[in-house]
Amino acid sequence: DAGVIQSPRHEVTEMGQEVTLRCKPISGHNSLFWYRQTMMRGLELLIYFNNNVPIDDSGMPEDRFSAKMPNASFSTLKIQPSEPRDSAVYFCASRGGGSGTQYFGPGTRLLVL
Amino acid sequence: GQQVMQIPQYQHVQEGEDFTTYCNSSTTLSNIQWYKQRPGGHPVFLIQLVKSGEVKKQKRLTFQFGEAKKNSSLHITATQTTDVGTYFCAGQDGGANNLFFGTGTRLTVIP
Repeated sequence: DAGVIQSPRHEVTEMGQEVTLRCKPISGHNSLFWYRQTMMRGLELLIYFNNNVPIDDSGMPEDRFSAKMPNASFSTLKIQPSEPRDSAVYFCASRGGGSGTQYFGPGTRLLVL
Repeated sequence: GQQVMQIPQYQHVQEGEDFTTYCNSSTTLSNIQWYKQRPGGHPVFLIQLVKSGEVKKQKRLTFQFGEAKKNSSLHITATQTTDVGTYFCAGQDGGANNLFFGTGTRLTVIP
């Protein structure tokens, strides 16, 4: 079992650039979650999908953030344009049906200069 | 809205001392989960509690779920350096699919 896969693992970009984070959930899991973690705000839920459908995006900070899940094995989180305050670790997690347990990916460490 | 608070935010202990972190929810939960995040790592599931007053043990770790299902605790007996990390509780209520993560307690163990 490969677990949740995220790419890239590290991203350094300049303010104003577009950033795309990618996630491959565990095969067979039907829920996918995007989190952001910072020292100041802790672990924040940004958005989650059930069966590829966005259920709750109330945690998405603003219109610069968007997330898609075109199929059961792939999701993206896009920031356009990026700002220094977006610097954080972004985690993707997946969960199988009938289980509350979430399995986290290794995260993407984003630094916006 | 749903809020899950944890105390303390930080804890430094000498190796061999005990450690406890407490979790409180603003609403009644259907279940509570605990996760551990090592420095530089990602949250990893430890355990889930479902029943009111439930107590579960994993070696030196003891987890409790309050009678009212609004609070929980994690107690580590005789800490070791491998216990270092941030411990998160995460609550789920019956009406939601997502977890509400607590603020976390960062544990440092001094050898």
